[in-house]
Formats: sequence, C-alpha cells, structure tokens
Amino acid sequence: DAEITQSPRHKITETGRQVTLACHQTWNHNNMFWYRQDLGHGLRLIHYSYGVQDTNKGEVSDGYSVSRSNTEDLPLTLESAASSQTSVYFCASSRGVRWEQFFGPGTRLTVL
Amino acid sequence: KQEVTQIPAALSVPEGENLVLNCSFTDSAIYNLQWFRQDPGKGLTSLLLIQSSQREQTSGRLNASLDKSSGRSTLYIAASQPGDSATYLCAVNDQGGSEKLVFGKGTKLTVNP
Repeated sequence: DAEITQSPRHKITETGRQVTLACHQTWNHNNMFWYRQDLGHGLRLIHYSYGVQDTNKGEVSDGYSVSRSNTEDLPLTLESAASSQTSVYFCASSRGVRWEQFFGPGTRLTVL
Repeated sequence: KQEVTQIPAALSVPEGENLVLNCSFTDSAIYNLQWFRQDPGKGLTSLLLIQSSQREQTSGRLNASLDKSSGRSTLYIAASQPGDSATYLCAVNDQGGSEKLVFGKGTKLTVNP
C-alpha cells in the first residue's frame, strides 16, 4: 500500500546543530508539505513543494529549508536548531490542490 | 488572512449520543474543507473532504456539511462510541495565493462508556 513515512520519529538535539528530518511518500504525489504542531498554535505550514525543484515558504519558514530533488522525498533542514523549534513536525502530500492531504506519523523534535 | 475557529475546544458526551462539531472560517474563497482525526501522539487521519461546490459528505457514522457563503462546516457523529475519542481538526484549502491548508485548533472529544 502507498504511504507516507517520516524519520526519525523522535530526536533530541542541541542548540546550534543542523538537523534534517526525512519525509518519503510512495503515492507519487506532486504536492508535499511540512507543518509544525504546537500547543496553542495548532498546525502551521513551514514549507511546501508542488513538484521537483519547486519549493515555497509557508507561514513559519524562518530557520528552515527544504529541497525537492525527486517526487518521493522532501527533507526538512533546520540550519541551526533553536529551542523555539522544539515541536512535532508533520509531513503531508496530496495529488493536487483540490485533493485530500495525507499526513505522516510525525517527528517529535526536542532542542536542548 | 484566513482564520479557522473550532468551537467548543473540548466536549465530553456519554456513549451513544449523537453530536455535532463546529468549524467556521473567515474567507469563503476556498477550494475545499477537510476534517481530520488525531489520536494522542499520532498523526492526522483524513476523515472527509468536501469540495467547495458540495454541501455535504458522508462516511459511515460521519456526516460533514459545508455552507461556504456563511463560512461554516459541521461534523455530525452518530451513535458515538468510546473509540471516537480523539481530537478533531478542521482545515480549509485556501485559495488566497498559496493553496495551503489552514487549520483550526481542534475539538477534543471524549466519549464516556
């Protein structure tokens, strides 16, 4: 069955370190998204991509970057991790704008 | 800027009760609206997707309605069960330039046996 996976599921890192969170989907979806979920804020969009070599900034993109070198993967990089980036990160994908978004299981990131 | 509100933030009901969760949004320029379920420590599971041209969608005991002109959607759960306990999130697919989901903060539902 097609699916969307994220790795690692849990990560603890130190302030200032570079961290990369992986997202892989096997649906062959064009659109991929990264969200973070925080108490009191709900889910907020970090970056998104509509296809290979396309990336766009979302609502809370400062301190994050993404790259899309193939259809299946959209890794999220924290250039220099900060305590404010402690959160649960969700990756999602969809076939297109008017289609359902499907979410991965999430990565819980703690920055000490 | 699109804003999505879900009321109430939490709801506790006895098993077997029919219930309604509410979602409102400020800008009617949407492609669709999606309802999700989230269990503690888990990801989001898509429940229903309603396109902007549709009035309602049904899946099993779930029925979602959409009134785009008034900026409202409801999720109706029939004959609630303890297994329905979860947080329910509403999200609109916003036409406002970036074609992204804008989420409400959710309603935490507890169904008591």
